[in-house]
Amino acid sequence: GAVVSQHPSRVICKSGTSVKIECRSLDFQATTMFWYRQFPKQSLMLMATSNEGSKATYEQGVEKDKFLINHASLTLSTLTVTSAHPEDSSFYICSVSGSGRDTQYFGPGTRLTVL
Amino acid sequence: GNSVTQMEGPVTLSEEAFLTINCTYTATGYPSLFWYVQYPGEGLQLLLKATKADDKGSNKGFEATYRKETTSFHLEKGSVQVSDSAVYFCALSFGNEKLTFGTGTRLTIIP
Repeated sequence: GAVVSQHPSRVICKSGTSVKIECRSLDFQATTMFWYRQFPKQSLMLMATSNEGSKATYEQGVEKDKFLINHASLTLSTLTVTSAHPEDSSFYICSVSGSGRDTQYFGPGTRLTVL
Repeated sequence: GNSVTQMEGPVTLSEEAFLTINCTYTATGYPSLFWYVQYPGEGLQLLLKATKADDKGSNKGFEATYRKETTSFHLEKGSVQVSDSAVYFCALSFGNEKLTFGTGTRLTIIP
């Protein structure tokens, strides 16, 4: 399977600031990347799907101007939480998949805490 | 729409006990089915998968069989260990489209 990393693993920021989270596919050409958020003791909720070089497709209820996603290459996607507020505090997880493949490989997650 | 229903937790078992975590799905067509495991503070790891009816996925002593008749993909292990303590997610997808997850089942194994 693919090795996926996320950076940072943990971030604490003040309300109103922006935070960027990186997702890297280390040994796999990730034509599609997914971003999820997970609240404590709950399942993963898909936020958006991005294909390399294209604009991300956001799930209903996810604000695209607040959660900026860039998938600039086959190995890197970034999620920027703009003007973060305490309610944005969550565990953000990315996953990658390849062309025609049905398996997603997940990163270790980034825990965001907004004070 | 597609959905996955899995056994509510938490589940607590003694070491070496037999484990079953139930999972059923609703979907139009025949999706691929997955079990993912999440250890504390970590992301998800693929545990096993099956892509068509009657396929059996297996890994690390865990097994699950894709049952089209009952639209189920129950996870089983014959003898659990303390290190199996984690949250288990059942999921489905079509091709490389998004995964639809169940709510997760927290498993705790006591020595």
